[in-house]
Amino acid sequence: DAGVTQSPTHLIKTRGQHVTLRCSPISGHKSVSWYQQVLGQGPQFIFQYYEKEERGRGNFPDRFSARQFPNYSSELNVNALLLGDSALYLCASSPPMRGRSGYTFGSGTRLTVV
Amino acid sequence: QQQVKQSPQSLIVQKGGISIINCAYENTAFDYFPWYQQFPGKGPALLIAIRPDVSEKKEGRFTISFNKSAKQFSLHIMDSQPGDSATYFCAAIPSGAGSYQLTFGKGTKLSVIP
Repeated sequence: DAGVTQSPTHLIKTRGQHVTLRCSPISGHKSVSWYQQVLGQGPQFIFQYYEKEERGRGNFPDRFSARQFPNYSSELNVNALLLGDSALYLCASSPPMRGRSGYTFGSGTRLTVV
Repeated sequence: QQQVKQSPQSLIVQKGGISIINCAYENTAFDYFPWYQQFPGKGPALLIAIRPDVSEKKEGRFTISFNKSAKQFSLHIMDSQPGDSATYFCAAIPSGAGSYQLTFGKGTKLSVIP
């Protein structure tokens, strides 16, 4: 079975640009969460989507947005990129019944803003 | 405000030794405490988890000890091996509101030397 897949794996963008990151959850998982991991820190929660609805949002500016599609895949969008947005962006999915005990993370997208 | 404090930041252990990583939390709404292992270039992977009604949980060489009154928990890795060299994160999830959101510690980089 395929795990959580994220694309692209690496990305370099210029300040002020926009970026879209993509995530495909494990088959049968309906929940997708996004986390930002700055180098040397633990991941920080950005969003969770369940059944295409936003279930929660972390302490991130409105430049960050996300959505979930009918096939449960998800996109994270970041506008007006800042140097401080450079990080590993992680996607996690979980099955309907196991909820918080069943998070599986992808390998992430490494975003570098120059 | 860091809700989950983790120490030490880095740890060097001889092969066969015991690795101990400590975490403390303040939010009494937390009621699920997973530990994640992360290798370079990969996303975090769930290692072991505990609920506060249990004082200790063991899975193979990995043991979580939990002290509810002190709001502290720790990970012990027995017979540490070079393959255990990775970054370890403690995390916590609340019950009720926000029960989907993982709050991570800052991580401990473990190096097991032969």
